[in-house]
This record gives sequence, structure tokens and C-alpha cells, in this order.
Amino acid sequence: EDKVVQSPLSLVVHEGDTVTLNCSYEVTNFRSLLWYKQEKKAPTFLFMLTSSGIEKKSGRLSSILDKKELSSILNITATQTGDSAIYLCAVQSGTASKLTFGTGTRLQVTL
Amino acid sequence: GAGVSQSPSNKVTEKGKDVELRCDPISGHTALYWYRQSLGQGLEFLIYFQGNSAPDKSGLPSDRFSAERTGGSVSTLTIQRTQQEDSAVYLCASSTQRGETQYFGPGTRLLVL
Repeated sequence: EDKVVQSPLSLVVHEGDTVTLNCSYEVTNFRSLLWYKQEKKAPTFLFMLTSSGIEKKSGRLSSILDKKELSSILNITATQTGDSAIYLCAVQSGTASKLTFGTGTRLQVTL
Repeated sequence: GAGVSQSPSNKVTEKGKDVELRCDPISGHTALYWYRQSLGQGLEFLIYFQGNSAPDKSGLPSDRFSAERTGGSVSTLTIQRTQQEDSAVYLCASSTQRGETQYFGPGTRLLVL
């Protein structure tokens, strides 16, 4: 059974700090790893990482996939209060259509 | 452009009642997924549709749960004889096809009293 573990469970930082969120996974026939931001109910898509695209960047957010270590990190630089949310990591195997999610990292950015 | 929409946004029901939750996927998306998120838990897969057929129903927790999709578009998740443990946020997602990025709707928060 596919498994995703995220750390830390929660994190409080000051505005302007840089944070790194971690995701490790066990999946048969890895296809992709996705990061989502969840502020209220709807998870918002951030990045999809695959064997052919192991590093993605968008503004202050970036993510790297380490297929050897079966893990990924999500970096947020110069954090803002609007970055406060739960960040979800999910993996998809080549044989399944579903996403298997971790329990998320709750990030709180304070002034 | 329109994203995934779900209705109702909130539903309060009494134990033992049936409920129907609706999902309108992004136009043209052939794949549709239902997940649920219980308090403090990660998202849990329920069912996947490709077109109107459901090749993966492995996440449905009991036979009280069923779902259908018509016209390759709208999907309805039905929970019969609701129990308190069914209380959760039910999220729908769609993608252009299997394996592509899944985009989520705003969810339906279900509370069973």
C-alpha cells in the first residue's frame, strides 16, 4: 500500500523567514508527486514532479524531487502571512489513478 | 474559467438519513475523483470515474456509499443511512485524463448529528 509521510506536522515562523517542508513516500511504480496548498477546504495545486521534471519553481515557492531518497521538499522563501495554510503532499503510482496523501504540514506565518 | 464546483457547501443531517452530494467537474475533464477528509486526517480516496464508469471503487468505506456519473460530467455521491463517523469534508477533483493533475472543488462539509 502506498504511503506518504510529511514533516513537520506544524510549523510557526515569522514573516520573512524561509521554510522547508518535507515529504517522504513509499509507492510501487512511482508516477508523480504533487504539492497542494489548503487554506479552507479546496486544495490548490502547486506543483507536480515526475521523473522527467524533478525541480519546479514558481515565485517564492520551489520544490525538488529526490527519487533516490524517495522524498521531496517544498521551499518557501520570504514567507508572508498569506502563506499560512496546510501544505499537502500526494503521490500517484503508475498503476492507480488515485492520489495518496500525507496528513499535511500546517504552516503559520506570524508578523 | 470555471473550476470544479460542488454542492451543497455545507450539509447537516440526522443519523440514519440519506444524503446526496454533487460535483460538477471542469468542462472537458474525463477523469473525476471523490475524496474525504476527516478532522485531522489526510485526504482519503473514495472512488475514481473515467467517463461514466468507475474502474476504481476501492476507497468506498461501506456499501452505504455509492456514486454515479452521468453524461461524462456531473457526479453524485450518495451516503445512505448516515452515521456520525461519516462527518467529514467530501472533496471532488477532476483531471483531463487519468494520471494528469487533479484539480479540487471547494468541498461539501457534512455533519451527521
